[in-house]
Amino acid sequence: GQQVMQIPQYQHVQEGEDFTTYCNSSTTLSNIQWYKQRPGGHPVFLIQLVKSGEVKKQKRLTFQFGEAKKNSSLHITATQTTDVGTYFCASTGSARQLTFGSGTQLTVLP
Amino acid sequence: KAGVTQTPRYLIKTRGQQVTLSCSPISGHRSVSWYQQTPGQGLQFLFEYFSETQRNKGNFPGRFSGRQFSNSRSEMNVSTLELGDSALYLCASSLHRDTEAFFGQGTRLTVV
Repeated sequence: GQQVMQIPQYQHVQEGEDFTTYCNSSTTLSNIQWYKQRPGGHPVFLIQLVKSGEVKKQKRLTFQFGEAKKNSSLHITATQTTDVGTYFCASTGSARQLTFGSGTQLTVLP
Repeated sequence: KAGVTQTPRYLIKTRGQQVTLSCSPISGHRSVSWYQQTPGQGLQFLFEYFSETQRNKGNFPGRFSGRQFSNSRSEMNVSTLELGDSALYLCASSLHRDTEAFFGQGTRLTVV
């Protein structure tokens, strides 16, 4: 199946700082989904992007899908302690199997 | 609307035993996928079922198997358990095969 690489693996930020995680693929993605998993919890769907160059916002979160549909990013402005968790990107390939990136674990220091 | 329900939540088994995990999807969802989550390996895809048929299978040995019933409920089975099978097993359901996935709380399996 297709592989989606995600960086960085870990990110520590001071509360109030911004945070960005990136997903990259060597092949064109039909879509990209983003999930958040709080410590001890399960992944929760955040958003899906399907169009080239698409940008969506959810309050302090901004999601982008690259023009070539091979990369995506999630940016959080002015992080808060409630943003702590692991953020995963995921995509379905031709087999329609949802494959996840390795995740970025975000720690927010108060 | 009830979410995805996985049972049991926690399980301790001995090496060599087998285990069956259960997943009840959200009502109306016909696609059920299973994932293994470990600290070092992230979310690894096990298999996906849609309308009682296995549509995709991840890169896991044949000891891992699953099935889906006519009511969309799914089970996964792991035979001849190994220590390395200790993990959080997550089930996710979705309305269609490439729409957002709703995860259950998972079954934490410990093999001793």
